[in-house]
Amino acid sequence: ETGVTQSPTHLIKTRGQQVTLRCSSQSGHNTVSWYQQALGQGPQFIFQYYREEENGRGNFPPRFSGLQFPNYSSELNVNALELDDSALYLCASSLGGGQGETQYFGPGTRLLVL
Amino acid sequence: GESVGLHLPTLSVQEGDNSIINCAYSNSASDYFIWYKQESGKGPQFIIDIRSNMDKRQGQRVTVLLNKTVKHLSLQIAATQPGDSAVYFCAETTDSWGKLQFGAGTQVVVTP
Repeated sequence: ETGVTQSPTHLIKTRGQQVTLRCSSQSGHNTVSWYQQALGQGPQFIFQYYREEENGRGNFPPRFSGLQFPNYSSELNVNALELDDSALYLCASSLGGGQGETQYFGPGTRLLVL
Repeated sequence: GESVGLHLPTLSVQEGDNSIINCAYSNSASDYFIWYKQESGKGPQFIIDIRSNMDKRQGQRVTVLLNKTVKHLSLQIAATQPGDSAVYFCAETTDSWGKLQFGAGTQVVVTP
């Protein structure tokens, strides 16, 4: 186990709703990255938070937003849910935000949008 | 665009044999490469990494080889076991803040 936890494990929402997913990073890690993994595909980078600031962002619309708290846990918020948002959402924590820092993944939150 | 890709979507291996999973990358600026294993219903699990100033790195039963000339990465698993059945992803980073770019994955099926 990596020590990275995510909640909830599963979630069902309807189109247009909003969702908040949570991630607790491994002890001592100050960086959290979020990924979206569609069925049968590799994870796609959403954004990264380093010491409570967004440190980089992938090709996702503004309705995907996040937060990082002083204890380095993090939230991913998605507004105006669309059917294509159905996916496994993964968070990964690392010791820093730099290249070469190993990212350790949590078990993910499976989101289904109906 | 730049991408990380895998040669084979599915690899069937007999228990006890060695497995080789291949990965091609197209971004010559890639500096750090990682192999992850993902079992059904779980998040990706770190296996081994390698930096661009190396061409080989060994772990427990795993070896990663990097050929920068042809932009190719491989993961070798020795004496494959049923617990090795999973999807394997290679990933690369080029950004200074470590964004991981993943390929689609290779499904490894270990048969008795």
